[in-house]
Amino acid sequence: NAGVTQTPKFRVLKTGQSMTLLCAQDMNHEYMYWYRQDPGMGLRLIHYSVGEGTTAKGEVPDGYNVSRLKKQNFLLGLESAAPSQTSVYFCASSSGGAGDIYEQYFGPGTRLTVT
Amino acid sequence: GDSVTQMEGPVTLSEEAFLTINCTYTATGYPSLFWYVQYPGEGLQLLLKATKADDKGSNKGFEATYRKETTSFHLEKGSVQVSDSAVYFCSNDYKLSFGAGTTVTVRA
Repeated sequence: NAGVTQTPKFRVLKTGQSMTLLCAQDMNHEYMYWYRQDPGMGLRLIHYSVGEGTTAKGEVPDGYNVSRLKKQNFLLGLESAAPSQTSVYFCASSSGGAGDIYEQYFGPGTRLTVT
Repeated sequence: GDSVTQMEGPVTLSEEAFLTINCTYTATGYPSLFWYVQYPGEGLQLLLKATKADDKGSNKGFEATYRKETTSFHLEKGSVQVSDSAVYFCSNDYKLSFGAGTTVTVRA
């Protein structure tokens, strides 16, 4: 099993450009999450999904969109990148969600720089 | 609402020192409790977990006991190594975000 994979690993964007980050998991997990990690701020939840075709906002959703068209994939989109979106992005998945016993499995991260 | 409160760092120790990172929780129910670890340049990974009161989770020499009477889940290791340098996060299964974690640096 590859677990949770993320592509790309690194990316540099100019302000105003768009891009999509791809997360894939091969564990048949129902729940998937996108986080961003910034120095001193910890991991903050951007969006999450409790199943194929469903998405929900997390703590910091502004400027991002997501889609879960297939159970194994969770895409994070930036429509018009801003320097404030410079961060390390982590995807995670779990078999259950809040209220269930669950463990999150994390990908290796994508380092995004917006100039 | 349900939450966890984790000791803030950074924590700097010498090799073979004893490590404790405090974590307390508030909950209306009986959450499962987790410690995650993030090594430099990597994503988080589960270190240990406990699913009910008095359970002890353990892994890689780390231990944490789910104490209902003190609503705590403190992480401990008796003799740390340089390779334990990482960021540690306490979490529960009602929480979908993680705080800043506790950065631990172990010096040789």
